[in-house]
Amino acid sequence: DTGVSQDPRHKITKRGQNVTFRCDPISEHNRLYWYRQTLGQGPEFLTYFQNEAQLEKSRLLSDRFSAERPKGSFSTLEIQRTEQGDSAMYLCASSRSRGGVAEAFFGQGTRLTVV
Amino acid sequence: AQTVTQSQPEMSVQEAETVTLSCTYDTSESDYYLFWYKQPPSRQMILVIRQEAYKQQNATENRFSVNFQKAAKSFSLKISDSQLGDAAMYFCALIRGAGGTSYGKLTFGQGTILTVHP
Repeated sequence: DTGVSQDPRHKITKRGQNVTFRCDPISEHNRLYWYRQTLGQGPEFLTYFQNEAQLEKSRLLSDRFSAERPKGSFSTLEIQRTEQGDSAMYLCASSRSRGGVAEAFFGQGTRLTVV
Repeated sequence: AQTVTQSQPEMSVQEAETVTLSCTYDTSESDYYLFWYKQPPSRQMILVIRQEAYKQQNATENRFSVNFQKAAKSFSLKISDSQLGDAAMYFCALIRGAGGTSYGKLTFGQGTILTVHP
C-alpha cells in the first residue's frame, strides 16, 4: 500500500458546476477524514467516517457538500453548484480507530479552483 | 468542543540553531493524543511527533522533541540543529483517545510557518 491517494490532484471548474473528488485510504484504516485548507491556514474539518458511517459533519458545511464512503473503502466528496469561495485544497486523511497510535496519514490533496 | 491555538504565525531560525514552536489547546477530556505535523510547500502533510496525554515523559524523535505541560495545556515543539529541509508549515493537532483507541475528529491549529536561514 502506497498511502492515501486522492484524485484528481487539480480541478478547475466554472462557477455553478458540480465537482466530485475521490479518496482511497490506506487499506487497513477504518477512519477517513475530509478537510479543507486555504492558503496559509490550518486544515478545516469537514466530515469524517468510521467504516461506512458518517459520524460527524461540520456545521459550517453547507448543503451543497456531500460525502459518501460506500462499503467503508474509498470516499467521494461532491460539491454542487460551486462558488468561488469553494476554491481551496481539499485534503483526505485516514487512520485506525483501534490498535494503532491514532496518527492520521494524509493524501496530497485536490486543489480546486472555481472560476 | 476542543480547540488548538498556535500563536506564532511565523518563526525563523538559523541553520544548525534551535527553535521552539508553541501550541496551546483546550479540551475537557483527560485522555487524548497530541501531534505535530509538517507541511512543506506544495507537499503533503506528514507526522513529525506524537504524545499521549497519559504519558508524563516528553516524546522525542531524533532532532525533534516536545515539552508537554498537561496542567497548562501546552505542547511546544523544539527543533534542534535546524536544517534547510525543516522549512515548512507546522501544525499542532489533537484527538481524544488513549491506548491505541481514538474518538472523534482530529482538530488542527492555524499553523506556524518556519523559515530556516542558511
